[in-house]
Amino acid sequence: KAGVTQTPRYLIKTRGQQVTLSCSPISGHRSVSWYQQTPGQGLQFLFEYFSETQRNKGNFPGRFSGRQFSNSRSEMNVSTLELGDSALYLCASSPGGSGGANEQFFGPGTRLTVL
Amino acid sequence: GNSVTQMEGPVTLSEEAFLTINCTYTATGYPSLFWYVQYPGEGLQLLLKATKADDKGSNKGFEATYRKETTSFHLEKGSVQVSDSAVYFCALSDNTDKLIFGTGTRLQVFP
Repeated sequence: KAGVTQTPRYLIKTRGQQVTLSCSPISGHRSVSWYQQTPGQGLQFLFEYFSETQRNKGNFPGRFSGRQFSNSRSEMNVSTLELGDSALYLCASSPGGSGGANEQFFGPGTRLTVL
Repeated sequence: GNSVTQMEGPVTLSEEAFLTINCTYTATGYPSLFWYVQYPGEGLQLLLKATKADDKGSNKGFEATYRKETTSFHLEKGSVQVSDSAVYFCALSDNTDKLIFGTGTRLQVFP
């Protein structure tokens, strides 16, 4: 089974631009979550999508948004980029059943650098 | 709100030494607890998990026991190898797919 894939792997943008990151979950997984990883703040939850609906949301500004398609692939978008948005963005997928003990399978991440 | 606290790193050990990485949590209800590992240049991988009090998760020689009375989930390994060098993250979920992570502990093992 193919793992979680994320594209692109590396991205360089300038302040004020917007960016879209893509995540393809493991086949059959219906839940996709996004995390931001920075040296200062560590790993922080952005949002989770299940069956095309946002099921959970973290404490990020509205510039961060996401969506999920009917094939479970997900995109996240960051508008009006700021220097502080430079980070590794990780996507994780799981089967998505209820209970909270679902194993999250992580992709390799997209390294975003904002100049 | 829910939170996870883990010991600051780096932890530096010689090969075959005993490893403990401390993790404590604050949560309402009965969260599930996890240890994830991040090897250099790679994404996170689940190392082990426990879903209820007194459960012991184990994998690849690593163990952690869910202690509700001390709100802890310490990671242990009896004999570390150079290949165990990585960053280890303790995490909890409140019965959703949202994970709350600790800050991570870097382990460096020297031959």
